[in-house]
Amino acid sequence: ILNVEQSPQSLHVQEGDSTNFTCSFPSSNFYALHWYRWETAKSPEALFVMTLNGDEKKKGRISATLNTKEGYSYLYIKGSQPEDSATYLCAFIGVGGGADGLTFGKGTHLIIQP
Amino acid sequence: EPEVTQTPSHQVTQMGQEVILRCVPISNHLYFYWYRQILGQKVEFLVSFYNNEISEKSEIFDDQFSVERPDGSNFTLKIRSTKLEDSAMYFCASGPSGIETQYFGPGTRLLVL
Repeated sequence: ILNVEQSPQSLHVQEGDSTNFTCSFPSSNFYALHWYRWETAKSPEALFVMTLNGDEKKKGRISATLNTKEGYSYLYIKGSQPEDSATYLCAFIGVGGGADGLTFGKGTHLIIQP
Repeated sequence: EPEVTQTPSHQVTQMGQEVILRCVPISNHLYFYWYRQILGQKVEFLVSFYNNEISEKSEIFDDQFSVERPDGSNFTLKIRSTKLEDSAMYFCASGPSGIETQYFGPGTRLLVL
């Protein structure tokens, strides 16, 4: 059974502050890691797909890094805004890739306080 | 921007009844998926579908579940005889390839009484 863990489970951050959270996943048989942003009552929105060790991706104020050797990824949000409030999910795909389903973590629930 | 749509948004059914959850994936995508999230738990993979057949399925996807792509646009999940523990949010997703981003629909909340 694949274990994908995210920490912390929830996080309260003041508007304007920067924050980060962690996704850990099996370091063996790695194929890809996905990050999603999920607002209540909406579809999960894709942020990044990361495949290479040392990958760093950026989308506006959000960025992510990947360490496949030790099995973790960080998501960073710079200068948090109220609209960043959401649950951030990471999901792992193991070797085999193809049409394999994603194995999700439980998510980090981020609340930005004005 | 194209998006994945799902109907209905909510469904309430009696235990033992059959339900069909419907999805319209993004039109040029080739890979289709169903996931579910039981309240308070992780999003779980159910099944993937490619080239008109099941590509992979999880342990959850037992004989009471089936998927179909009856025409060029719809992708359905059928639960033959619902159980209380099938109550969950069911998400459909589609992707252009097996490794790239999967695009999720808004989900169908299923409640089995």
